[in-house]
Amino acid sequence: DGGITQSPKYLFRKEGQNVTLSCEQNLNHDAMYWYRQDPGQGLRLIYYSHIVNDFQKGDIAEGYSVSREKKESFPLTVTSAQKNPTAFYLCASSTRGERNQPQHFGDGTRLSIL
Amino acid sequence: GNSVTQMEGPVTLSEEAFLTINCTYTATGYPSLFWYVQYPGEGLQLLLKATKADDKGSNKGFEATYRKETTSFHLEKGSVQVSDSAVYFCALSPRGGADGLTFGKGTHLIIQP
Repeated sequence: DGGITQSPKYLFRKEGQNVTLSCEQNLNHDAMYWYRQDPGQGLRLIYYSHIVNDFQKGDIAEGYSVSREKKESFPLTVTSAQKNPTAFYLCASSTRGERNQPQHFGDGTRLSIL
Repeated sequence: GNSVTQMEGPVTLSEEAFLTINCTYTATGYPSLFWYVQYPGEGLQLLLKATKADDKGSNKGFEATYRKETTSFHLEKGSVQVSDSAVYFCALSPRGGADGLTFGKGTHLIIQP
């Protein structure tokens, strides 16, 4: 079945450590997105990418980095510069440039600090 | 900028009750509007959408009508079930391209048997 796979489901980070969250999709979608979800909050956009080798900052990009070397993959690195990384991270994808096309979401990665 | 405001929760109802979750938005032009549902520990699933004024989105007994004059997209269901318990998010996609969705804070719905 087509879909979005995020891994791992749970991730723990030590102080000063970078961690990378994986997101893979087999929907043949051009656009991919990363959101952060905090308790009682909506989702906030971290980064997005419309095509391979190109990506844009969202509303809360500081302390995060991404790459888009393949159409299917959009990994997110939470760097040590992100001082409050504990959150639920959601990856999504959609047809590029189509504002009326819904985004499809993965099941998320929950990141915690040790 | 763009923003979405939805009613605070949790909303607690008895099974078979009528449901309304209010959603209003601020955006330039004509955004597309969406309702997503999130079950515990999972990602978001699209529930319904509307792409222009007066459109009605519907799915699984849920409905929402795009009202430009009141900038609203309220979610309704005539008879809720225990299985409808979840967090519901209203979201908009602004005019001009798929640069990410703007979400409301979510409404936690609890249905009691």
